[in-house]
Order: sequence, then structure tokens, then C-alpha cells
Amino acid sequence: AQSVTQLDSQVPVFEEAPVELRCNYSSSVSVYLFWYVQYPNQGLQLLLKYLSGSTLVKGINGFEAEFNKSQTSFHLRKPSVHISDTAEYFCAVSLFSGGYNKLIFGAGTRLAVHP
Amino acid sequence: NAGVMQNPRHLVRRRGQEARLRCSPMKGHSHVYWYRQLPEEGLKFMVYLQKENIIDESGMPKERFSAEFPKEGPSILRIQQVVRGDSAAYFCASSLLPDTQYFGPGTRLTVL
Repeated sequence: AQSVTQLDSQVPVFEEAPVELRCNYSSSVSVYLFWYVQYPNQGLQLLLKYLSGSTLVKGINGFEAEFNKSQTSFHLRKPSVHISDTAEYFCAVSLFSGGYNKLIFGAGTRLAVHP
Repeated sequence: NAGVMQNPRHLVRRRGQEARLRCSPMKGHSHVYWYRQLPEEGLKFMVYLQKENIIDESGMPKERFSAEFPKEGPSILRIQQVVRGDSAAYFCASSLLPDTQYFGPGTRLTVL
């Protein structure tokens, strides 16, 4: 069975500092990997996704993530954060089976950017 | 191109009442997924539907919950005889191809 672990429930960081949000997954088969961002009282917005190909994936708002198959990780990074990046970030894995994907989410990491 | 639409955005019900949540997928999308987010938790898969068919309902509680995606009109998630534990945010997602899901703003259900 697939599972996703987000190692940090909260990450405080100062504005303009770099940040890394960690995500590890377990799966016995190939998966797709996603990062979504959720601003307060809003839905989820897709930040980036890994389907195949290059292991370094660039997304919106200056975020990027690296797929590491040997470590089963998909950590999210940004070199310099802004106050507006304060939000909840969810890592998700999907198993493509039967012609569709069912997303399995981590518990989320709350990023708090301080001035 | 409008995104995934959900209504109502907020819904308040008393215990024992019925809740109906609606989801209109993005134009051209035939895959619809429902997820539930309990307070302070991640999203949990509930059900996957294509037009007129339930494909996977492995995440749906066995009783009181049902979903449909008719040929015409939005997908509906229906919760009968709501209890306080049903209070959560319910998100709908749609996809054109099976790889990437796009989420709606959610319906926040409060059961009094």
C-alpha cells in the first residue's frame, strides 16, 4: 500500500530565507508525485508534479522539487521565501491503476514565513 | 476556462438532516474525485466517478454517504442523517487525463 510522510508538521522561517519541506513516500510500484498548496479557507492549488523524466521539477511561485527514487523522497524547496508563501503544503502520491489515479496525501506541513 | 466549482461553500446542518454537496468539474473533464479533510488532517480519498458510473468508492463510509455524477449536471455528494463527526471540508477534484487533478474551493460542512 502507498503512504506519504511529511516529516515536519510546521516549519517557521524568516522572509527571504531558503526553505525545504520534506516528503517521503512508500510504494512498491511506480507512482506520480505532487505538491499542492492550500491557503487559509481555500482549495488546493497544484504547485508541481513529477510524472516521469527529469528528476528536478520546477513549479509555480519559484518552487521546485527533486524526485529521489533510491531515498523515496520528493522534497520541496524554494531559495527565498516571501510572506505570501505562508500556507499549508501537501505532498501526494498517486498510483495509476485501472485507468485512473487516486491521490494519497500526507498530513501537511504548515509553512509560516515571518518578517 | 472556469475552474472546478463547488457549492455551497459553507453548509450548516443539524444532526439528522441531509447534506447535499455539488461539484461542477472543469469543462471537458469526465473524471471526478471527492476527498474529505478533517480538521488538522490531510485529505482522504472518498470516491472516484466518471459520467454515470462509480468507479471506486473504497473511501466512502458504508452507510449514509452516496455519490453520483449524472449524464447532465454536477456531481453530488449526499450525506444522510448527518452527525457531528461529518463536520469537515469536502473537496472535489476533476481531471481530463488520469494524471493531474484540479481541485475546487471545497464545501465546509458544519453539523450542529
